[in-house]
Amino acid sequence: DIVLTQSPDSLAVSLGERATINCKSSQNLFYSSNNKNYIAWYQQKPGQPPKLFIYWASTRESGVPDRFSGSGSGTDFTLTISSLQPEDVAVYYCQQYFTFATFGGGTKVEIK
Amino acid sequence: EVQLLESGGGLVKPGGSLTLSCAVSGFNFSDAWMTWVRQAPGKGLEWVGRIKSKTDGLTIDYAAPVKGKFTISRDDSKNTLYLHMKSLRTEDTGVYYCTRETTPPTDDWGQGTLVIVSS
Repeated sequence: DIVLTQSPDSLAVSLGERATINCKSSQNLFYSSNNKNYIAWYQQKPGQPPKLFIYWASTRESGVPDRFSGSGSGTDFTLTISSLQPEDVAVYYCQQYFTFATFGGGTKVEIK
Repeated sequence: EVQLLESGGGLVKPGGSLTLSCAVSGFNFSDAWMTWVRQAPGKGLEWVGRIKSKTDGLTIDYAAPVKGKFTISRDDSKNTLYLHMKSLRTEDTGVYYCTRETTPPTDDWGQGTLVIVSS
């Protein structure tokens, strides 16, 4: 099974500052046939289902602010919030869809 | 508009059984691969299992913790996905979501239904 390890578990960032979340996969998520990394990022707020933010490692879902960006390839991936806003307070999960689906443990983002 | 509506959650005693339903509208359910994901209180997301479409062989796959305990099925005539759970334990407590599985993922999730396993 593919295991995703997110870090940190939580982080507190000042408004307007950068937040960086890491996700490390136990297996390569890059498929050479289509040059794509099979990883997505979700945002979840309390009492709500997860909301898809990024897929193919770096493609933003429609409507997601451009302060959110995804990067990485192979086994190491990053979600960056370039300028934290109050509405970004949430838990963020990475998900691999290379083989079935597994999720990282989540990273809680708070305001410092 | 895509809608997924889970139901059937509730309080069940350890060792008991429960069947969840997910009613779907807004896309061609019979062609869709469907997935269950759960979330224990205050914890992360856990993939439970998936059922492919009939045209793709109705293959069903389960996560190791639920294999042999949970059964996923579908009724394409009713646009409904099911999750039958037996031999429930306290660690099965959580919110159960149904989702449509696509590559890449789409943002098609239900609101979830809460299952509480407690004596």
